[in-house]
Amino acid sequence: GAGVSQSPSNKVTEKGKDVELRCDPISGHTALYWYRQSLGQGLEFLIYFQGNSAPDKSGLPSDRFSAERTGGSVSTLTIQRTQQEDSAVYLCASSDRGIQPQHFGDGTRLSIL
Amino acid sequence: GENVEQHPSTLSVQEGDSAVIKCTYSDSASNYFPWYKQELGKGPQLIIDIRSNVGEKKDQRIAVTLNKTAKHFSLHITETQPEDSAVYFCAARSNTGNQFYFGTGTSLTVIP
Repeated sequence: GAGVSQSPSNKVTEKGKDVELRCDPISGHTALYWYRQSLGQGLEFLIYFQGNSAPDKSGLPSDRFSAERTGGSVSTLTIQRTQQEDSAVYLCASSDRGIQPQHFGDGTRLSIL
Repeated sequence: GENVEQHPSTLSVQEGDSAVIKCTYSDSASNYFPWYKQELGKGPQLIIDIRSNVGEKKDQRIAVTLNKTAKHFSLHITETQPEDSAVYFCAARSNTGNQFYFGTGTSLTVIP
């Protein structure tokens, strides 16, 4: 399809394990965002990529969180040594040059046992 | 940074009635205001947006109004239908940064 694709759709893991979440943006979109949405809450900004510029990491909650974007397309969000408070839905969005509307994927629901 | 507040947090209306959701923002440099609808288990979907150079925009049953002086914007849904039931989020983007700032969402229930 032509939309933003995220995988896995659900992830259950034990506390202390590392997890990797993947985002495939819409083809041609240069801007990519990661957000965290806790149950019943709004969207918390995590990180923003725009083209080849240095990413805006100002929303990452701790150094256990990191993200990369390879070749200006696919992005991976990594959470190391997961904690129960990391349980949330992680949403990815992309847009054309960051000035056009964002298009969201359906998210990865992460549950830490 | 920007602070976006959204009210009400929950809203119930009878089918056919109108629904209004309001947001305020703090950064006068914000110039783009999208609204998203999120259904259970899905990502937010853009339903309408407005830029700061216009005061109102309409798309069929949905309209958005913007008051730059008061720094608030509103979503209006007319002739509501049960399929309008969802969580709605407002957002604001400043022309000085990369981030979108989201409201905390409004859970809309349309009662048949």
